[in-house]
Amino acid sequence: AQTVTQSQPEMSVQEAETVTLSCTYDTSESDYYLFWYKQPPSRQMILVIRQEAYKQQNATENRFSVNFQKAAKSFSLKISDSQLGDAAMYFCAYWRGVGNQFYFGTGTSLTVIP
Amino acid sequence: EADIYQTPRYLVIGTGKKITLECSQTMGHDKMYWYQQDPGMELHLIHYSYGVNSTEKGDLSSESTVSRIRTEHFPLTLESARPSHTSQYLCASSVLAGGITGELFFGEGSRLTVL
Repeated sequence: AQTVTQSQPEMSVQEAETVTLSCTYDTSESDYYLFWYKQPPSRQMILVIRQEAYKQQNATENRFSVNFQKAAKSFSLKISDSQLGDAAMYFCAYWRGVGNQFYFGTGTSLTVIP
Repeated sequence: EADIYQTPRYLVIGTGKKITLECSQTMGHDKMYWYQQDPGMELHLIHYSYGVNSTEKGDLSSESTVSRIRTEHFPLTLESARPSHTSQYLCASSVLAGGITGELFFGEGSRLTVL
């Protein structure tokens, strides 16, 4: 089975500042997808950002961007201009593609300090 | 927000009771999943379905069972609940095999406590 590691169980950031959440994964495949999902307290988990491994360019979605280092098998999430609504659990996930399972990390709990 | 709904959101029951966790989606997605989520642990896939009358066990052994009689409905049943079943259960759906985007749509979860 694939493994996804999130080494930061908890992180905190001051409102309006920038924070980076770390994720590493283990795979022998060359084609796959990586995701960051956000789970606010008692609310639905939603997709934040997605990266295709064949793309060299790092994905960006508004204030959210990733640093994808394929050789190092690293996939970090950067949140710029942090807002109170960014407080949530963040899960990194790996997917090999059609017909395969998703593998999730253990999550990072992000606190945003006003 | 995604159109996928779980009931009940919270349930506290005694050992030995039969329970069913409901999950419904209105997006017409073929593939549906049940994940088990515990604090500090990764999400574990316990069941999934490719469509009507298709169900498969995931990588985490579970004493629960599922059914898929209608596309939009994917209930999970525990015939005899035990304290070890205490957990949060997340239902999710996607277009068949994740589609080209790979996006999973999640429900809000059902938190089960077995006394």
